[in-house]
Amino acid sequence: DSGVTQTPKHLITATGQRVTLRCSPRSGDLSVYWYQQSLDQGLQFLIQYYNGEERAKGNILERFSAQQFPDLHSELNLSSLELGDSALYFCASSVGPSGLRAEAFFGQGTRLTVV
Amino acid sequence: QKEVEQDPGPLSVPEGAIVSLNCTYSNSAFQYFMWYRQYSRKGPELLMYTYSSGNKEDGRFTAQVDKSSKYISLFIRDSQPSDSATYLCAMKGSNFGNEKLTFGTGTRLTIIP
Repeated sequence: DSGVTQTPKHLITATGQRVTLRCSPRSGDLSVYWYQQSLDQGLQFLIQYYNGEERAKGNILERFSAQQFPDLHSELNLSSLELGDSALYFCASSVGPSGLRAEAFFGQGTRLTVV
Repeated sequence: QKEVEQDPGPLSVPEGAIVSLNCTYSNSAFQYFMWYRQYSRKGPELLMYTYSSGNKEDGRFTAQVDKSSKYISLFIRDSQPSDSATYLCAMKGSNFGNEKLTFGTGTRLTIIP
């Protein structure tokens, strides 16, 4: 168990809908990352937060948004869902964004299926 | 050109063999290097974490980093069927803009009993 908790584990929804994925980082970790992994694809970086502030942004669609709350949990919001958004969404956390405590631990992911 | 290149395999070796997995990268700002193991559709599990050049050993696993060649390796000794998984290299820098984890595409490894 990595200590990173993601909910829900599975989500099935229809095209055009909006969903929210939740991530609770490991205790003491201030940095949160979101990644998307489509079938047989690598891990695509979406966005990173550090202590509530956006730190880096990847190829995240405008229909997607995220935030990190004062208690350090993070939410990824996906709207106007399309079939192609079906994927595994992973959250990872680390103590800081860089430095010797930069190793990141991953949650078990949320499997999103858009029908 | 991708920032991180990794041979996707698949790689099949007999049980007990030594496995060598490799990645090359182009971004000289990368300073922190990680290897993850991912079982099918599960969350990546951190195996090794190294900073800058050098070797690090943990049980049957050894990670090597050669920053001058921009080349990292993971060796698995006495490979077991339970080592069958996809192995992902990942790296990041310490300056703003390079702090996200950049992953290789992963190498699918099968250990044959």
